[in-house]
Amino acid sequence: EAQVTQNPRYLITVTGKKLTVTCSQNMNHEYMSWYRQDPGLGLRQIYYSMNVEVTDKGDVPEGYKVSRKEKRNFPLILESPSPNQTSLYFCASSLSWYQPQHFGDGTRLSIL
Amino acid sequence: KNEVEQSPQNLTAQEGEFITINCSYSVGISALHWLQQHPGGGIVSLFMLSSGKKKHGRLIATINIQEKHSSLHITASHPRDSAVYICAVPESYNTDKLIFGTGTRLQVFP
Repeated sequence: EAQVTQNPRYLITVTGKKLTVTCSQNMNHEYMSWYRQDPGLGLRQIYYSMNVEVTDKGDVPEGYKVSRKEKRNFPLILESPSPNQTSLYFCASSLSWYQPQHFGDGTRLSIL
Repeated sequence: KNEVEQSPQNLTAQEGEFITINCSYSVGISALHWLQQHPGGGIVSLFMLSSGKKKHGRLIATINIQEKHSSLHITASHPRDSAVYICAVPESYNTDKLIFGTGTRLQVFP
């Protein structure tokens, strides 16, 4: 089954404790992207990747890091999380940005 | 930088009604996405279109590149169509970075 898998689905943590949200896709897609969704602000792109070793900043990259060492994986790293990064996060993948995207189920992060 | 506006923000309808959701943007683009977010939070890509019209079941999406406007229509609406509908466009013509509208919340009552 074609899917984008995010882990964890839910996480409560504290300020400053490094965390990684994993994202994996099994569709051999080249384009992968991370989004955050906040009430009243909608979806905003954090980082995206056109292919292995190629990443670029989205609209709100501050406080986040990504890497794309393999085609299937695109982890999101919060090196020193802060409360303003409390949000619902989605990973998505597609053949390219102008192709329909497949979204993961979302990760709800709460940073206290 | 592109700016995206969706209207209306909220929409209620009776089952069977014809629904129209609008998306306007400020900078010329090569393609536009329509997404659906279910009440449970999951997001599904409905359409990607760069010109004209696309149809999938009861959903129809149109785009007018010259007028920088797209519409999503739902014919014979059903309560299961209740969701948030979101349009997304690239930040500018030659970029892969996406900008999203804030969404239209649709509720269809039986």
